[in-house]
Amino acid sequence: DAGITQSPRHKVTETGTPVTLRCHQTENHRYMYWYRQDPGHGLRLIHYSYGVKDTDKGEVSDGYSVSRSKTEDFLLTLESATSSQTSVYFCAISADRDVGELFFGEGSRLTVL
Amino acid sequence: SQQGEEDPQALSIQEGENATMNCSYKTSINNLQWYRQNSGRGLVHLILIRSNEREKHSGRLRVTLDTSKKSSSLLITASRAADTASYFCATRAAVNKLTFGGGTRVLVKP
Repeated sequence: DAGITQSPRHKVTETGTPVTLRCHQTENHRYMYWYRQDPGHGLRLIHYSYGVKDTDKGEVSDGYSVSRSKTEDFLLTLESATSSQTSVYFCAISADRDVGELFFGEGSRLTVL
Repeated sequence: SQQGEEDPQALSIQEGENATMNCSYKTSINNLQWYRQNSGRGLVHLILIRSNEREKHSGRLRVTLDTSKKSSSLLITASRAADTASYFCATRAAVNKLTFGGGTRVLVKP
């Protein structure tokens, strides 16, 4: 199994509070992704990174920011959580941007009350 | 918006039977991938088929791709209870853009 660790795995928070999810990889893969999974929507890309300090937006980036200061860590921040951000968040990594199968973490379940 | 749409949304079969699910997509692709997700777990890559390939096999999995119809199918032969999971197709139309469908939930009854 690819070495991908997400933390926390479960979090309950209140509307308006900041939340940071962490993804840590031990594979030294260049590309890292944050997806959210919601019933009826499949997986949707939030942000991705193609190197240290290099990030770009996905299709549902509003309300989210990311940072990547080291190859192994990719952080997803919700500056002010809203109930619509209640979801399961998955981190994924890839060694190859052009073909690239993705390796997924186990997910972080976030509930915003 | 979802690039890939799986059909059916849910499938229930007996152990030993074959399971077939389909994926349709909208734009030209570089490759199409299938993933499995067990309940409460992350997605696991199953198989990748490139746009210039028509069929690919991996163990009990058979994937076909028809680029003229913008569709793919995943066949699981001789299904087992352990195949119970959700299956997702994902299309790569551009660099760093892997777009997932809504998935097919498969239940294999012993």
